[in-house]
Amino acid sequence: QKEVEQDPGPLSVPEGAIVSLNCTYSNSAFQYFMWYRQYSRKGPELLMYTYSSGNKEDGRFTAQVDKSSKYISLFIRDSQPSDSATYLCAMGKDTGGFKTIFGAGTRLFVKA
Amino acid sequence: DSGVTQTPKHLITATGQRVTLRCSPRSGDLSVYWYQQSLDQGLQFLIQYYNGEERAKGNILERFSAQQFPDLHSELNLSSLELGDSALYFCASSPQLSGQPNTEAFFGQGTRLTVV
Repeated sequence: QKEVEQDPGPLSVPEGAIVSLNCTYSNSAFQYFMWYRQYSRKGPELLMYTYSSGNKEDGRFTAQVDKSSKYISLFIRDSQPSDSATYLCAMGKDTGGFKTIFGAGTRLFVKA
Repeated sequence: DSGVTQTPKHLITATGQRVTLRCSPRSGDLSVYWYQQSLDQGLQFLIQYYNGEERAKGNILERFSAQQFPDLHSELNLSSLELGDSALYFCASSPQLSGQPNTEAFFGQGTRLTVV
């Protein structure tokens, strides 16, 4: 079993839809929970991060972490064609350094 | 532009060969991370260096090694290359050692390695 599970999709939605992306994980030692966006042929860029449980909102993006269920979500409101990308969840823990484990990534297509 | 520079952008080499990938972190960033991204394995953490010292290790093969130099640039050395090593190799940098005060790591554009 992988430490982080993420449905690779693809997920196709119409413009303006609310998108829900999810990951589950098995290691309760994870402290940091991140969402990265990766456009084709580019490096990932950090969208959201949360330390421990709770919700965080930034513009059209909301990240939720439920440590009791080992489940994290990213919601995108009013989705735009420019949101079409691969979304990677990631989990991190301090180990004397910092180690990050990524999900497989979900490919999202937002149709105009 | 993230400020992280990776060279070369593309590399084609034969099985059994050795290559070196180079990363220049953002100005002032002390941590450098290396990742491998392939279709079947996804994005995998390889190793972290902080101010010249190895600080975290992931699923890095023994045939792979890395180092960070006094000027903070880093190199990833891949030897005895196999077809399965074909992948995108990303470098990322951040100012801090750990996850606090934030976890943002800035990624370079990657080096696409093709082993034939």
